[in-house]
Amino acid sequence: QVQLQASGPELVQPSETLSLTCTVSGDSISNNYWSWIRQPAGKGLEWIGRISTGGVTNDNPSLKSRVSLSLDTSKNRFSLRLTSVTAADTAVYFCVRNLLPDTNGAFDIWSLGTMVTVSS
Amino acid sequence: EIVMTQSPLSLRVTPGEPASISCRSSQSLLHSDGNNYLDWYLQRPGQSPQVLIYLGSNRASGVPDRFSGSGSGTDFTLKISRVEAEDVGVYYCMQALQTMYTFGQGTKLEIK
Repeated sequence: QVQLQASGPELVQPSETLSLTCTVSGDSISNNYWSWIRQPAGKGLEWIGRISTGGVTNDNPSLKSRVSLSLDTSKNRFSLRLTSVTAADTAVYFCVRNLLPDTNGAFDIWSLGTMVTVSS
Repeated sequence: EIVMTQSPLSLRVTPGEPASISCRSSQSLLHSDGNNYLDWYLQRPGQSPQVLIYLGSNRASGVPDRFSGSGSGTDFTLKISRVEAEDVGVYYCMQALQTMYTFGQGTKLEIK
């Protein structure tokens, strides 16, 4: 059974960097692609970015190159860094397994959401 | 960026009755491989989203057969043949044709 667990600080200061880690169990991060998705309170879903098994990344242009994604194969986890955060980055963040090709839903396994608040 | 537009944004359904949600994309989601790269997700209250339908019409593992997806190109529909209480939540369509994945605004389904 594949499970993803997102973790990181719940509170981040404005202009600082938001850092989250997703630990994967039941699957190797070398086998699939992995994405981050976020959801502001009461709003819809926004895709943040994706990292491939080879470390190739894609991210949402609306985030203006503030996104950095990485893999840690030794610990079977992947990470998100979002720089220069503002209140608009306050949201629930999900880490997600990203199937390519889409054989059971592009995003077939989701973590529980982790709430991150940007505030001084 | 492919813009996804859902309608209605909310609906209230009597248990046992059918429900239908429409999703329209700003560009065709039909790939040269013949697949429509359109998924449907359900987010139950307080939970993470889960996939219901992938590639336009394929039910994901464990999804009841009362859920069905149809459509091609730019127009898609999610149908629930007989709504049950556990179907409450917000339904999202999402295009997976472009790596810049985009979701519809969501449709909130409530039970009468």
